[in-house]
Amino acid sequence: DAGVIQSPRHEVTEMGQEVTLRCKPISGHNSLFWYRQTMMRGLELLIYFNNNVPIDDSGMPEDRFSAKMPNASFSTLKIQPSEPRDSAVYFCASSVQGPLGYTFGSGTRLTVV
Amino acid sequence: AQSVTQPDIHITVSEGASLELRCNYSYGATPYLFWYVQSPGQGLQLLLKYFSGDTLVQGIKGFEAEFKRSQSSFNLRKPSVHWSDAAEYFCAVAEYSGGGADGLTFGKGTHLIIQP
Repeated sequence: DAGVIQSPRHEVTEMGQEVTLRCKPISGHNSLFWYRQTMMRGLELLIYFNNNVPIDDSGMPEDRFSAKMPNASFSTLKIQPSEPRDSAVYFCASSVQGPLGYTFGSGTRLTVV
Repeated sequence: AQSVTQPDIHITVSEGASLELRCNYSYGATPYLFWYVQSPGQGLQLLLKYFSGDTLVQGIKGFEAEFKRSQSSFNLRKPSVHWSDAAEYFCAVAEYSGGGADGLTFGKGTHLIIQP
């Protein structure tokens, strides 16, 4: 089991550019979550999917953020256009059997300059 | 809405001493409770979780936590800390509606420093 795989591990981009973060959940997990971690706000849930369907996107900060899950093995989080205040670590997590097993990826550290 | 409070931002403990990290939650029903640990530059590792049953939960790395409904608390303990325990610790709560997992709500974290 390779765990939850996120790519890239680090991303540095210029303000205004589009950024796409990727996540491959654990095979068989039916829920996928995107979190953002900053010093000021801690860990925040951005959006989550159950069975590839977005359930709650109330944590998405602005319309510049969008997430998709086209199939059970892949999800993307896109920021367009990016801004310096989007700089953070973005974590993806997947789960099966409800809250019994959330597994987090290693995160993508995004820096927008 | 769910909320989690970790009142201690930083805690310093001598190596070999006992540890208790506090966590209080606000939630209408019986919560699903978790403790995660994060080392610098790393992801989140699950230490332990509570759903029901015995209110004293054993986890990995010698950690345990006790659920106290009357106090809305889920404090993390370890009888003797090691230098490798230095990290950020997060308490979290979740709801499970039966149709699938809902997201975790995290506390702000407690930074644990181990003195030699």
